[in-house]
Amino acid sequence: GAVVSQHPSRVICKSGTSVKIECRSLDFQATTMFWYRQFPKQSLMLMATSNEGSKATYEQGVEKDKFLINHASLTLSTLTVTSAHPEDSSFYICSALDRGGYNEQFFGPGTRLTVL
Amino acid sequence: GEDVEQSLFLSVREGDSSVINCTYTDSSSTYLYWYKQEPGAGLQLLTYIFSNMDMKQDQRLTVLLNKKDKHLSLRIADTQTGDSAIYFCAESPYSSASKIIFGSGTRLSIRP
Repeated sequence: GAVVSQHPSRVICKSGTSVKIECRSLDFQATTMFWYRQFPKQSLMLMATSNEGSKATYEQGVEKDKFLINHASLTLSTLTVTSAHPEDSSFYICSALDRGGYNEQFFGPGTRLTVL
Repeated sequence: GEDVEQSLFLSVREGDSSVINCTYTDSSSTYLYWYKQEPGAGLQLLTYIFSNMDMKQDQRLTVLLNKKDKHLSLRIADTQTGDSAIYFCAESPYSSASKIIFGSGTRLSIRP
């Protein structure tokens, strides 16, 4: 099946710094990628939909100036958590939509962000 | 609004069948999914069913859909220790290309 990678898998940073997370579709092109956030023992909550070459669409309650999304190519989307604070600590998961195959979302392995 | 609910925990004996239940509220759901998440890992799509189907079977997995009651279930036959994980029920309101609404996940534990 299609493979989606995320980098880094784990990051620890100090409060006030910015962190960039990459999401790559390895063997297919993805015009659309999704970013989810998962708190411990809770479900995934969609944060935003990332479209290649255009602005991301954010879900209600998600600060677009805090969570910057860039989808500059058909295989890469990045999520930058700006001025991170401890409450931003979470598991961030991306998915990429493979329109060429079964029109299915494939999920990355996730990035664990810990803000001290 | 859109909501997906499932019980938080399930414990079964190795070799028995596991049945994980889910209810959803959006009657326009087109795709209904079951995902598996192992500790520290991303989501793996186990199976999905179209809203116009009642049942889908794939090896040890059987999905049943009662569209009238908006109830979805996942049965895992001959449950093994490797089946220990969190299982998420999910739905796409329009198509698999749109956002997916997830349930809170059911943690399945296997006892010997």
